[in-house]
Amino acid sequence: QVQLQESGPGLVKPSQTLSLTCTVSGGSIRRGGDYYWSWVRQLPGRGLEWIAYIYYIGNTYYNPSLKSRVTISLDKSKNQFFLSVTSLTAADTGVYYCARERVGPDYVYYGMDVWGQGTTVTVSS
Amino acid sequence: DIVMAQSPLYLPVTPGEPASISCRSNQSLQHTNGKNFLDWYLQRPGQPPQLLIYLASNRASGVPDRFSGSGSATDFTLKINRVEAEDFGVYYCMQALQIPRTFGQGTKVDIK
Repeated sequence: QVQLQESGPGLVKPSQTLSLTCTVSGGSIRRGGDYYWSWVRQLPGRGLEWIAYIYYIGNTYYNPSLKSRVTISLDKSKNQFFLSVTSLTAADTGVYYCARERVGPDYVYYGMDVWGQGTTVTVSS
Repeated sequence: DIVMAQSPLYLPVTPGEPASISCRSNQSLQHTNGKNFLDWYLQRPGQPPQLLIYLASNRASGVPDRFSGSGSATDFTLKINRVEAEDFGVYYCMQALQIPRTFGQGTKVDIK
């Protein structure tokens, strides 16, 4: 059973950079053709916002509203993927989730079927 | 971006009674392969979202058959035929046709 676990600093100062890690256990991030590794955040009173995802060979896709400040990457040897968000403001405060989007060839799609528990990020001086 | 709109935003339900949530998109979510790229998720308090339905009508693994999804193009519905205690929480629809993925505002299903 694949599990995802987010880790990060919790509290970050305005204008600084947030770095989050998602550790994948019970399965390999290397498995090709099946998964996009995603970040989604939940801002207070604003519901869910999709941030980005990355394919195992490194192809990245971003939400245009965040693209100038966000970088997603992965380390197959460590079975981890990462999110970096620059120029933080209080509006970035929320819960950050990593998730797995399961796909298949020829536009087969199975949904975001595995989620981490989330990590709370507070941007405050 | 595709805009998703859910209704109602608040739904009080008596346990054992049915419930229905609507989700509409401002663009068709039907792919050229004929499938509708619309998911439903349930978020219980303090928990991450949990996938219930993908491609509009396919139940995810382990999801009870009291949950059903229907609809096509821009209009979709999630139905619970008899709400149980574990079903209370916030339901979100999400379109998976385009990047960025976008979610509805959420529908809070609460005990009546």
